[in-house]
Amino acid sequence: SQQGEEDPQALSIQEGENATMNCSYKTSINNLQWYRQNSGRGLVHLILIRSNEREKHSGRLRVTLDTSKKSSSLLITASRAADTASYFCATEPVNNAGNMLTFGGGTRLMVKP
Amino acid sequence: DGGITQSPKYLFRKEGQNVTLSCEQNLNHDAMYWYRQDPGQGLRLIYYSQIVNDFQKGDIAEGYSVSREKKESFPLTVTSAQKNPTAFYLCASSIVGANQETQYFGPGTRLLVL
Repeated sequence: SQQGEEDPQALSIQEGENATMNCSYKTSINNLQWYRQNSGRGLVHLILIRSNEREKHSGRLRVTLDTSKKSSSLLITASRAADTASYFCATEPVNNAGNMLTFGGGTRLMVKP
Repeated sequence: DGGITQSPKYLFRKEGQNVTLSCEQNLNHDAMYWYRQDPGQGLRLIYYSQIVNDFQKGDIAEGYSVSREKKESFPLTVTSAQKNPTAFYLCASSIVGANQETQYFGPGTRLLVL
């Protein structure tokens, strides 16, 4: 079952614009992570935010977490063509055995030059 | 170079045939995972293993089998019982323990049915 659901499913923007992706989940979590996947490749970890954190930054990435609404957002500022990829949120549920993650369906981002 | 490797990159399966996908890591990670990804979809967990000689079923284990005889290796066999095996298969590994939840992924194997 998919715990996280991303919105929108697809997003097309111009280079230099900001891109915002949202993730909603259903159960209480220890942390929420965002991963990036280039077409036909493996996933790469971008950023992790814990349940007691509300906002986190890493370079051009900004992640927020609202545990009361069970939602998170990923903001990519000043986007570049190289940011074109699929972005997935993944949640680690509370009382999780094995550090398992549950992935959402992803947002496909296209950044036009 | 430290990392996680998968082979082959492409694999073709005939009807009724079992095929095995390889996953190797030299990150000294205890936990390893297998995911299936269908086109335009997210990842679904097939099997995971936290320690050598032990593994657990994920959400979609039917038609698949695994072994964990060595810490570095976690091969996945797609059996003939898996009726719709065409997908992209991703292997991942992670450290087991508090505050070590990031998973590291291999490049994937694309399985196609002839």
